Amino acid sequence: EDKVVQSPLSLVVHEGDTVTLNCSYEVTNFRSLLWYKQEKKAPTFLFMLTSSGIEKKSGRLSSILDKKELFSILNITATQTGDSAVYLCAVGIQGAQKLVFGQGTRLTINP
Amino acid sequence: GAVVSQHPSRVICKSGTSVKIECRSLDFQATTMFWYRQFPKQSLMLMATSNEGSKATYEQGVEKDKFLINHASLTLSTLTVTSAHPEDSSFYICSASKPGQGAAWSNQPQHFGDGTRLSIL
Repeated sequence: EDKVVQSPLSLVVHEGDTVTLNCSYEVTNFRSLLWYKQEKKAPTFLFMLTSSGIEKKSGRLSSILDKKELFSILNITATQTGDSAVYLCAVGIQGAQKLVFGQGTRLTINP
Repeated sequence: GAVVSQHPSRVICKSGTSVKIECRSLDFQATTMFWYRQFPKQSLMLMATSNEGSKATYEQGVEKDKFLINHASLTLSTLTVTSAHPEDSSFYICSASKPGQGAAWSNQPQHFGDGTRLSIL
């Protein structure tokens, strides 16, 4: 069974801290790994990773994939209260047009 | 701007009512759309894959007669929750991928609608 596991499930830090969110996966036929941010409504797309070792960066957020270790991390530097959200990791399966989601990490940034 | 539009955003209705939720791709054609359900503090669970012009593909454990999916055009998929009961109360979200180069869907991320919060009394 395809599985995506995120850790930690919940994280509370102070504004300005740097956080690292983890995502590991076990799937039959990996195609891509995606990170989404979900606030009150539907998830918004952050990154899609398909190759190992190539960091993707957008402002204070960055992400990298390790296909050997079946693992990805999402880093957020200089966190702000607006970064508070649930961060979802999802894996796309080759040959099947669907995503398998992890449980999410609930990140809370305190002022 | 928004890539996928979902309507309505909120539904409150009595038990036994059927509820229709619409998902539209904006400025692109989507031969495939996806319907997810999310319970409070849980992740997204794929319910079904909606295919334009053919039957939807349902995930294991999802009743196809309960959750009717119609993908009659390249920009619109609908999910109808038939004879809804309180246990069907949930957050329903649709998604679609923009067409891409080469293998059309495989190198494009899914974009989500804003979701529909369904409350059955």
